[in-house]
Amino acid sequence: QKEVEQDPGPLSVPEGAIVSLNCTYSNSAFQYFMWYRQYSRKGPELLMYTYSSGNKEDGRFTAQVDKSSKYISLFIRDSQPSDSATYLCAMSFTGGGNKLTFGTGTQLKVEL
Amino acid sequence: GAVVSQHPSWVICKSGTSVKIECRSLDFQATTMFWYRQFPKQSLMLMATSNEGSKATYEQGVEKDKFLINHASLTLSTLTVTSAHPEDSSFYICSAREAGGQLNEQFFGPGTRLTVL
Repeated sequence: QKEVEQDPGPLSVPEGAIVSLNCTYSNSAFQYFMWYRQYSRKGPELLMYTYSSGNKEDGRFTAQVDKSSKYISLFIRDSQPSDSATYLCAMSFTGGGNKLTFGTGTQLKVEL
Repeated sequence: GAVVSQHPSWVICKSGTSVKIECRSLDFQATTMFWYRQFPKQSLMLMATSNEGSKATYEQGVEKDKFLINHASLTLSTLTVTSAHPEDSSFYICSAREAGGQLNEQFFGPGTRLTVL
């Protein structure tokens, strides 16, 4: 079993839809949770950063962390074609040298 | 701010040759830099962690004699793939952690696509 599981998709939605992206993990030591966006042939770009359980909102993006269920989510409201990319979840913990463990990424396509 | 560059963006080489990839933090000092490898439709796999002025720490299964990492300054780290073979073809991405920044925040470079013929 991988430490971090993420549905690879692809996920195709119409413009304006609400998108839900999810990751599950097995290591209860993870404390820091991040979502990255990666366009094709580019490096990842940090979207959201959360510590421990709870919600965080930034514009059209909302990140949720449920440590009791070992489950994190990223919601994208009013999705745009420019949101089409691969979304990677990542997590880390202080005792692990703060190294990031990534999910496999979910490929999202927002269609006109 | 927090821009990381990589050079070259892509490289094609013959089997058996060595290739050097540079990672630079352009507007901040990076005490720690990370090197990742990403195969098509797969996630980023950490290869090694390098701290300025000290030897890199390699992840299990990564050959340190094949993937030479040098972090000679607070703004530059290099990865040299020695005696490259076709199976080394991949997308190599570096990231940098800012000195005094949040321990879990890494800024990623745009990646280098290596193709070994």
